[in-house]
Formats: sequence, structure tokens, C-alpha cells
Amino acid sequence: KNEVEQSPQNLTAQEGEFITINCSYSVGISALHWLQQHPGGGIVSLFMLSSGKKKHGRLIATINIQEKHSSLHITASHPRDSAVYICAVSPGGSEKLVFGKGTKLTVNP
Amino acid sequence: DTGVSQDPRHKITKRGQNVTFRCDPISEHNRLYWYRQTLGQGPEFLTYFQNEAQLEKSRLLSDRFSAERPKGSFSTLEIQRTEQGDSAMYLCASSHRTGSYEQYFGPGTRLTVT
Repeated sequence: KNEVEQSPQNLTAQEGEFITINCSYSVGISALHWLQQHPGGGIVSLFMLSSGKKKHGRLIATINIQEKHSSLHITASHPRDSAVYICAVSPGGSEKLVFGKGTKLTVNP
Repeated sequence: DTGVSQDPRHKITKRGQNVTFRCDPISEHNRLYWYRQTLGQGPEFLTYFQNEAQLEKSRLLSDRFSAERPKGSFSTLEIQRTEQGDSAMYLCASSHRTGSYEQYFGPGTRLTVT
């Protein structure tokens, strides 16, 4: 079993829909990261959080440390949100990141 | 600040050849990470430097792989005697010394071994 599990693996939505991507992890962590990867490889950090909730524009990330679970929400989705969204954790005591397999999001106009 | 840069962006090589990739981190970032990503998978950790010291290596980093960061600035990742299974995107990231674990990623080097 992977240390970081994401669901769903693939997600197709219509423009304007509310989107949720889930992440569960099995190790103790210092922080959890949500990252965005566009075709061609470039990875951009969206959020880093260790508790509670963060919001940036139409993106919201939440984490429940007790349940070892995080969600990424996108409100009013747009075709430009189409990308792979990756959950990663910083295991306690280590500076490396451990990644989930990613969720491929396609938003159709 | 131009961000993390990697060179080359693409490399095609024949099995058995050696390849070397370079990563230039964001200036003043003392931590530098190498990851490998195969198609349809999330990145996997390879190794990590703090300044010039290589502090952690993955079991994935076989003896054909070596990484250096000689002056604590840029880093190189060399793969000797490449195999088809080495075909992947090699990603470099850097982070600042204090506080944050946030990592900034380069565009990656896509390696194809034929």
C-alpha cells in the first residue's frame, strides 16, 4: 500500500462545477502539499499545510491530522484548471516529499 | 530570480551510454532535491543535499546513479550504463534553509533510453 493515496485517479467535469480531490496518508507528517502539474512536466506548489484550511482564489485545501486526510477543492472550475493535481507529504523527520500518483483533472467548456 | 533551471530539457540516449543532468537551484536555497517520475506515476525521491552534503539517498539510487553538489550551488545527476528502465522525467527542486518545507521545482529533464 502506498503511503499516500489519492482519489479519484481521473476526474472529468463541466466548466463551473465544484471539484473535490481527496488524499489519505499513512505516515506521521510535518506538512502536506498540494501541487499542480501541467503537460510537459512543470510542477507548481499550490498549498503547504499542517493544520486547518487554506484558500487561494478558487482553490481551497483542508487537512484533518487525526484522520490523516486532506481535500483539495476547486470552486467554479474552468478549462484552464485542467492538469494533474498531486498530493505529497513531508514525513516527520525527513525533508523529502512522498507523492501520491496524482489526479488527472479535465474541465470541459 | 529565475527559478530552478534544469539542463538539458530532453535527452535521448542509447542503452549503455552515460548521461549527466544539471540543476541550478534558486539562489540562496541551500537544500536541493532530485526526484524521478515515470509515466502516470507521482514523482519518487532520489536524493537530497543540504549545501554540498548529500544527506539522504533512496534505495532507488542504484550504484549506476551518482549525484554531486560540489560547491553547494548547482548539482549534477549522472547515470552510468543507462538502461531502458531509466527512461523517466528527472525533476530537481530546491528549498530555503529556514522554516518552510516548500519546495520549488524545475521544469525537469526527460530522458529516453532507446
